[in-house]
Amino acid sequence: LAKTTQPISMDSYEGQEVNITCSHNNIATNDYITWYQQFPSQGPRFIIQGYKTKVTNEVASLFIPADRKSSTLSLPRVSLSDTAVYYCLVGTYSGAGSYQLTFGKGTKLSVIP
Amino acid sequence: EAGVTQFPSHSVIEKGQTVTLRCDPISGHDNLYWYRRVMGKEIKFLLHFVKESKQDESGMPNNRFLAERTGGTYSTLKVQPAELEDSGVYFCASSHPKYGSYEQYFGPGTRLTVT
Repeated sequence: LAKTTQPISMDSYEGQEVNITCSHNNIATNDYITWYQQFPSQGPRFIIQGYKTKVTNEVASLFIPADRKSSTLSLPRVSLSDTAVYYCLVGTYSGAGSYQLTFGKGTKLSVIP
Repeated sequence: EAGVTQFPSHSVIEKGQTVTLRCDPISGHDNLYWYRRVMGKEIKFLLHFVKESKQDESGMPNNRFLAERTGGTYSTLKVQPAELEDSGVYFCASSHPKYGSYEQYFGPGTRLTVT
């Protein structure tokens, strides 16, 4: 299973764009990159996933360079409610249409007014 | 649509006792997973059900843990006998089988405290 490395914590002012970079040097050809968000006392929540180049949804963008050894989650104009822990994961297919998620330590994002 | 629910939200038991955690997945989700985070550690995968069958139980720590999913609906995770190191938060997640999708829906977790 590919290991991921990301910053332990980040602070940002409200309204700024936040970019969190994750390293996954040993990613396998068939692995996807996915990001989850977790608020205190809640379970993780899926944000976005991608394989290469750029993926965008209503919440975030994910940038993946050609070598796929890293990825960057971009959160536009963060608000106080975006304060959470963000996990970068490289999922491994475990059969029957499902993927085993391997969580790292995550990045604790604190948004300040 | 109701999300993944877990019961209880918090359980405090003594070492040596038995505890059973319950997870109700989102209706129609064939995949059900159990994860846990013990104190100060990362969230770790425990096992994965596809309907009522165990697809992958490579993360189960030892034979004191027994997971079941009778009828392919809700699942239970029993710890017997509980040890101090079992304390942590146990998460359940579910997903609909879809190739290429890493989206799993997590419940709020059950906090287990073994004293």
